[in-house]
Amino acid sequence: AQRVTQPEKLLSVFKGAPVELKCNYSYSGSPELFWYVQYSRQRLQLLLRHISRESIKGFTADLNKGETSFHLKKPFAQEEDSAMYYCALLYSGAGSYQLTFGKGTKLSVIP
Amino acid sequence: NAGVTQTPKFQVLKTGQSMTLQCAQDMNHNSMYWYRQDPGMGLRLIYYSASEGTTDKGEVPNGYNVSRLNKREFSLRLESAAPSQTSVYFCASSEPLGQAYNSPLHFGNGTRLTVT
Repeated sequence: AQRVTQPEKLLSVFKGAPVELKCNYSYSGSPELFWYVQYSRQRLQLLLRHISRESIKGFTADLNKGETSFHLKKPFAQEEDSAMYYCALLYSGAGSYQLTFGKGTKLSVIP
Repeated sequence: NAGVTQTPKFQVLKTGQSMTLQCAQDMNHNSMYWYRQDPGMGLRLIYYSASEGTTDKGEVPNGYNVSRLNKREFSLRLESAAPSQTSVYFCASSEPLGQAYNSPLHFGNGTRLTVT
């Protein structure tokens, strides 16, 4: 069965320090992965998707099929990065596609 | 362009009461979803509607029912609320995942429900 694991519930880093939010997945098919972010008092929104190989707000994520990982990285954390981050996996089941989410990691950037 | 709109924003119910959470989207999306968000549990899919006229169970459907009223609206009903249903509920919409390549989910602002 498909599964997304985010091992850290809370990650605290100092401003200017590098950030890495871990995400591991389990899926027998070809994985398509996403990172969603929820800032305080705002709705969940897409941060980036692996297929686009993009950098959004300084964040990047590389799909590593060998390690079944899709870690989110940023070289220098900013206070405005403090938020809840969810890794999500697109999977096919019961004739349609669905997104399954990890349990989330709360990032706190200390000034 | 409002995107995904949920009502109400907050609700307190007593055990056994019923209520309906409303969701509407103005992006002409075919697919709509209801998730619940709980601390330490992340987002879990309750029900979804891949297209108008269809609904299917997600990961945690027990205690809920849904109605896809039309393409815009997708409601979630709690027939007899229980304290275990205290949560934040999110509605989302998208083009059918897997068809619109990497189509993202667009979320509403959420409904914070407390059942006492």
